[in-house]
Amino acid sequence: AQSVTQPDIHITVSEGASLELRCNYSYGATPYLFWYVQSPGQGLQLLLKYFSGDTLVQGIKGFEAEFKRSQSSFNLRKPSVHWSDAAEYFCAVVPTQGAQKLVFGQGTRLTINP
Amino acid sequence: EPEVTQTPSHQVTQMGQEVILRCVPISNHLYFYWYRQILGQKVEFLVSFYNNEISEKSEIFDDQFSVERPDGSNFTLKIRSTKLEDSAMYFCATQRGGGELFFGEGSRLTVL
Repeated sequence: AQSVTQPDIHITVSEGASLELRCNYSYGATPYLFWYVQSPGQGLQLLLKYFSGDTLVQGIKGFEAEFKRSQSSFNLRKPSVHWSDAAEYFCAVVPTQGAQKLVFGQGTRLTINP
Repeated sequence: EPEVTQTPSHQVTQMGQEVILRCVPISNHLYFYWYRQILGQKVEFLVSFYNNEISEKSEIFDDQFSVERPDGSNFTLKIRSTKLEDSAMYFCATQRGGGELFFGEGSRLTVL
């Protein structure tokens, strides 16, 4: 079945450590790919997106993500996390080109240890 | 920077009451969506709306739900007779055409 999978429900890292959040999708064609962040009680803020071209995309707040077609993955990374990065992170895809609905993964909750 | 505006930010209602959630989309956007997030769960697609009609809806979007864009600006989600399980954060999103969706801050609905 077509889906978006975030294998890690909850991740805890220390402030200053590196971070990688995993996302896999199962769609036949390469979809549009997104990462959103949601702070507690807040809306969804777009971190970055991939439509085509360079497979390493840069986003806001020092985040980047790499699209790997062979692994159907779009993992989010940050070299050094800050306490303010504690939030819920959602990977999402638009399965095909054109105006289509966004399908979200389950989300990964990130906790930062001081 | 243009943004999607949602009202109310929080509404508390009694079970069985009607609720209308409102969204003001970005002015040149053509595609509109409602999503729902039950506390602690993932964001779920409810409905998409284009050219004044529903283009797609999920299984969640049953006969108790309706959407409309009555005046060409507001995009509304109506829940005719609320149930306890309708308690959630409801997000409006808009899209110019393909690709990125822009989300509002959400409307938290609490059904008692």
